[in-house]
Amino acid sequence: AQSVSQHNHHVILSEAASLELGCNYSYGGTVNLFWYVQYPGQHLQLLLKYFSGDPLVKGIKGFEAEFIKSKFSFNLRKPSVQWSDTAEYFCAVNFFGNEKLTFGTGTRLTIIP
Amino acid sequence: DSGVTQTPKHLITATGQRVTLRCSPRSGDLSVYWYQQSLDQGLQFLIQYYNGEERAKGNILERFSAQQFPDLHSELNLSSLELGDSALYFCASSSSAGYTFGSGTRLTVV
Repeated sequence: AQSVSQHNHHVILSEAASLELGCNYSYGGTVNLFWYVQYPGQHLQLLLKYFSGDPLVKGIKGFEAEFIKSKFSFNLRKPSVQWSDTAEYFCAVNFFGNEKLTFGTGTRLTIIP
Repeated sequence: DSGVTQTPKHLITATGQRVTLRCSPRSGDLSVYWYQQSLDQGLQFLIQYYNGEERAKGNILERFSAQQFPDLHSELNLSSLELGDSALYFCASSSSAGYTFGSGTRLTVV
């Protein structure tokens, strides 16, 4: 079955720490990859996406993600987090031939000032 | 404002009742997707419509139904509501650039 895994359920960091959130998917074919952020009480906002080309993708708010096809991974990174990054982060995959997005279970990120 | 409009924002209703959630996609987007977000199930895909036709079905209960109208807005109908249906219901629309989500409708069944 096509699935998306986010192994970090809750991550707590201090401000200025570096961040890496893991995302793996179970499919060997063509995929489109997304990271969304959900601030408390708000809707999902797109951070970045990968369709093709350079596997290192830069998004908004200083986030980036690297697509490693051999590892079926699309990890999210940020070199220095801020208190305002406190939110829930979702990895999502659009598997080839399937228009819907399949989401991971999400990672709650808490930044301590 | 993402361009995808969902109403109402909040809904409180009793078990056994029926409710209708409404979604207007971004201008020009033909596809509408419905998702349910709950604490125990995460974000689950319910159903997709494309230009008025059902395109894909996910984990949607038989008590739930949806439709997309000629003006491309969509409605999700939830009937015989149970406590477990309490969740945040998102709709999204898509274009070649990607998916855009609405602010959601928070449904509380009491």
